[in-house]
Amino acid sequence: EVVLTQSPGTLSLSPGERATLSCRASQSLSNSYLAWYQQKPGQAPRLLIYGASSRATGIPDRFSGSGSGTDFILTISRLEPEDFAVYYCHQSGSSPVTFGGGTKVEIK
Amino acid sequence: QVQLVQSGGGVVQPGRSLRLSCAASGLAFNNYAMYWVRQAPGKGLEWVAVTSYDGNNRYYTDSVKGRFTISRDNSKKTLYLQMDSLRSDDTAVYYCAGHFGDYPLDPWGQGTLVSVSS
Repeated sequence: EVVLTQSPGTLSLSPGERATLSCRASQSLSNSYLAWYQQKPGQAPRLLIYGASSRATGIPDRFSGSGSGTDFILTISRLEPEDFAVYYCHQSGSSPVTFGGGTKVEIK
Repeated sequence: QVQLVQSGGGVVQPGRSLRLSCAASGLAFNNYAMYWVRQAPGKGLEWVAVTSYDGNNRYYTDSVKGRFTISRDNSKKTLYLQMDSLRSDDTAVYYCAGHFGDYPLDPWGQGTLVSVSS
């Protein structure tokens, strides 16, 4: 299985600040099949980014993804109040799919 | 509208069984591999079981092998998870999710809580 390691575990920021989340894979991901999800309490994960850098339908452009190979980044350019949540990276290029441990973005 | 609607779940004693269902609408269900993913309280996401689009191939995470069975009925557009010999560490919210090709898991069901407790 591909192991995904996310850092930091928790990010304490204020609304309007920039958030940078990292995800490192234990092996190179083919065709950058790396995605990012947002999850709020009591809700299912919501797809934000797929293919490392493509935004899913309806996702605001303050969310952006980058990276390739084993190192990937999710950037939220200016945090809105609704962006405080847990974020997971996910690889779907190798079976079984796997998830990172998550980064919690909390209000400072 | 693409939807996965889950049912089943609840509180069960250790050693007992439970079956989860996941009914699909608005998508070509028989073109999707399907996953069960769980999330223990306060923890991250963990894949539990996967079935190929036709149900002929099934895989399980080590901790549930021999106890859980994933299956599907494409004529009913429904996915199942039969959970036997439940243990306290199976307590989690269980999600079903579709997997098409190499794309990420999407869509997801709403989740259902399974609580194993005496």
